[in-house]
Amino acid sequence: SQKIEQNSEALNIQEGKTATLTCNYTNYSPAYLQWYRQDPGRGPVFLLLIRENEKEKRKERLKVTFDTTLKQSLFHITASQPADSATYLCALVRVDNAGNMLTFGGGTRLMVKP
Amino acid sequence: DTGVSQDPRHKITKRGQNVTFRCDPISEHNRLYWYRQTLGQGPEFLTYFQNEAQLEKSRLLSDRFSAERPKGSFSTLEIQRTEQGDSAMYLCASSLVVLTDFYGYTFGSGTRLTVV
Repeated sequence: SQKIEQNSEALNIQEGKTATLTCNYTNYSPAYLQWYRQDPGRGPVFLLLIRENEKEKRKERLKVTFDTTLKQSLFHITASQPADSATYLCALVRVDNAGNMLTFGGGTRLMVKP
Repeated sequence: DTGVSQDPRHKITKRGQNVTFRCDPISEHNRLYWYRQTLGQGPEFLTYFQNEAQLEKSRLLSDRFSAERPKGSFSTLEIQRTEQGDSAMYLCASSLVVLTDFYGYTFGSGTRLTVV
């Protein structure tokens, strides 16, 4: 069966450190992989999109890598701040999905302590 | 444009009642999606529209659920004869797709449904 797995345990780090979140998938051929941020009681906010033929994408303090051989994406936040505390969701769009519907992982909660 | 708007933000209803939610997408976006999210889980796809046409529905969307998007603008999601298992956050999102180019979704803040 198709699965998208993110670490369900919260990640606690100190302010200023780099946070690294993992997204693993099985039985998927993704065309795109996306990362979203979600705060309690709010909808997800789009952060980054990476295509299957891209290895790495950066945006300000954010970096995403995509390894289709390992079937894994890593999401990095450098120089983390308490304001980065939130749940981070990864989501895939399949190659054969003309509607671009997203399949989400369960999310990882990040807590950045001052 | 202020993004994707959803109304109401919260809805408490008794089991067996009907409820309707509204979503106003970003006007330039041609696709509109409905997702459902329960506590501690990621959002799950329900259905989507390209302009006014409903192109796909998930198996999660039972016969009690119906969605419309008249004139390709706002959308409504109705749940008939609500059950306690329908309690969840209902999220609407819109996106712009041009030929094969796809960009991220813009989600609304969701409607939190509680069925008592």
